[in-house]
Amino acid sequence: GAVVSQHPSRVICKSGTSVKIECRSLDFQATTMFWYRQFPKQSLMLMATSNEGSKATYEQGVEKDKFLINHASLTLSTLTVTSAHPEDSSFYICSVLEDGSYGYTFGSGTRLTVV
Amino acid sequence: AQSVSQHNHHVILSEAASLELGCNYSYGGTVNLFWYVQYPGQHLQLLLKYFSGDPLVKGIKGFEAEFIKSKFSFNLRKPSVQWSDTAEYFCAVINTSGTYKYIFGTGTRLKVLA
Repeated sequence: GAVVSQHPSRVICKSGTSVKIECRSLDFQATTMFWYRQFPKQSLMLMATSNEGSKATYEQGVEKDKFLINHASLTLSTLTVTSAHPEDSSFYICSVLEDGSYGYTFGSGTRLTVV
Repeated sequence: AQSVSQHNHHVILSEAASLELGCNYSYGGTVNLFWYVQYPGQHLQLLLKYFSGDPLVKGIKGFEAEFIKSKFSFNLRKPSVQWSDTAEYFCAVINTSGTYKYIFGTGTRLKVLA
């Protein structure tokens, strides 16, 4: 199956700054990647679907201007949390859907702490 | 709206005990069903999946799940748990009507006592 690398694994940033999280599909050309957010003791919530070469599709309630997604190539999608606030502290996970299969491969996640 | 319910939020078992984690979904159409496991400090890993055919699905590490369509359920089972099964388990559903979006349950945190 696909191998997905996510970087950084942990990041601490000051309130008001922006943070970029990278998601790379190492051995698979991913036209679609997904970004999830997981709050403590809660399930993963889909934030947006990242489409290579076009705009991301955001889920209801997710601010597109705050969570900027760029999928410039078939192997890289980035999520930028802009003007981060403490309430943005969470675990962010990306995933790749391999064509022809519904088995997703997940990245190892990024724990963001905004202080 | 589509949803997935996992009734047990925390489960504590002794080694060798049997495990059953409940998962119910609400969606009237065709679905594919999954169980994922997240070990402490690690990323989500696929345990097993159901697409069609035999409703009893066997996955890795001795886990199995049974799809009961009439009950909208896909419960996860393991006859004898080990300490290394301590993890969080997520049930997920994907509808095959075109959106292909995962809907995850809230997860069940399993602790196995040695």
